[in-house]
Order: sequence, then structure tokens, then C-alpha cells
Amino acid sequence: DTAVSQTPKYLVTQMGNDKSIKCEQNLGHDTMYWYKQDSKKFLKIMFSYNNKELIINETVPNRFSPKSPDKAHLNLHINSLELGDSAVYFCASSPDRADYGYTFGSGTRLTVV
Amino acid sequence: GDSVTQMEGPVTLSEEAFLTINCTYTATGYPSLFWYVQYPGEGLQLLLKATKADDKGSNKGFEATYRKETTSFHLEKGSVQVSDSAVYFCALSGNTGGFKTIFGAGTRLFVKA
Repeated sequence: DTAVSQTPKYLVTQMGNDKSIKCEQNLGHDTMYWYKQDSKKFLKIMFSYNNKELIINETVPNRFSPKSPDKAHLNLHINSLELGDSAVYFCASSPDRADYGYTFGSGTRLTVV
Repeated sequence: GDSVTQMEGPVTLSEEAFLTINCTYTATGYPSLFWYVQYPGEGLQLLLKATKADDKGSNKGFEATYRKETTSFHLEKGSVQVSDSAVYFCALSGNTGGFKTIFGAGTRLFVKA
């Protein structure tokens, strides 16, 4: 069983569309994260939820909206997609605090054309 | 704010060579320090970690020592293999707002047979 699974793995879409990425973890972790990795491999945190509560909300356009229906799931919805949104989006989870280390999903490569 | 600086890549080595990837950090308090590895097309995997000064993290022949006096956490391996070719990320998790992990820019390693 995959510990942190993301779907879809690849997503190609046109500018202006709305899309969602889903993430599920079966590790029993309390905290989940969304990171964006750009073409130069730089990783930037976007959001984090702890037991369904939003605890980190970095400077991200409000076109991006996370949702956590329960502590095992964290989804990312993106409205009005722009070319600059093209990147790899990683979901991750950790036990209650990040200093235990993260378990990452395999990523969703989003390409906006 | 907290930050991580790691040596720019790419680093190219021959098989069985000695590897060092330098990492220094800036943080308040006493962060936990990590090395993650990302193989092509995959998510990041936790390689090793250290949670306090003078701790040594080790895994799969890699090791790094938490040096508070020099604010460093350099990654070393005595004899690299072709299969070690990947991108390596140094990271820290501060003890204030402990849910956030800050990543360095990544260092790509190529190992030639």
C-alpha cells in the first residue's frame, strides 16, 4: 500500500480551467502539507493542515484553495489556472510535528497550456 | 527568518569516490535538521535526520553531523554508487511553528560508472 498517494500523476489543462488534485495518507499522521516544486527543483510550502485545521497558509494566490475532509485526506483546488501555475505539486504528511520528518507523495506534474 | 543554504550543483563524481555536499542553516532556537533525496520522477524521501547538536544521522552509507557552532549539516558518503545519482535536499524544521520545514535549493549528484 502506498503511504501517501496523489492523483492524478499528470495533469495537462488549458489556461482558465479549474482543476483539483487529491491526496490521501494511510500512515495515521496528524499533519498534511502541500508543496510546490518549480522547474529548478525549489520547494515552497503552500498549506498545512493538522487534524483538519488549517495551520499554515503561505502567500499563495487565493485561486488556490485546500480542503481537508478528514485527517487522512488533503485536496488542492485551483481556479482559473495560469501558465505560471505549471509545476510539480507534492503532498506530504508527518506525525504531529514536522521535526519527525515528512513522508512525500510521488507528485502531480501540472502543465498549463 | 529561517533559511537553508546548500552547495550548488551539479556535482559529478566517479563511482567509489567520496561525496560531500555542504549545507549551512540560519534559524532561531534549536531546529531539527534533515537530508532528503529525490530520484528522477519521484517524490522526496527522508534520508537521515538529527534533532540536536552533535547528533549524527546515518542511513544507507550516508551520514551528517549536526554542528551548532558552525551551523552546518554536511552530507557525506565514503563511496558513491551510480544508483546514488539524485537530487539531495538539506532541510530544517524549527522549534517555533514546528509544522513547517524549510528546504534548501537542492544539489544534483551525477555518479559515473
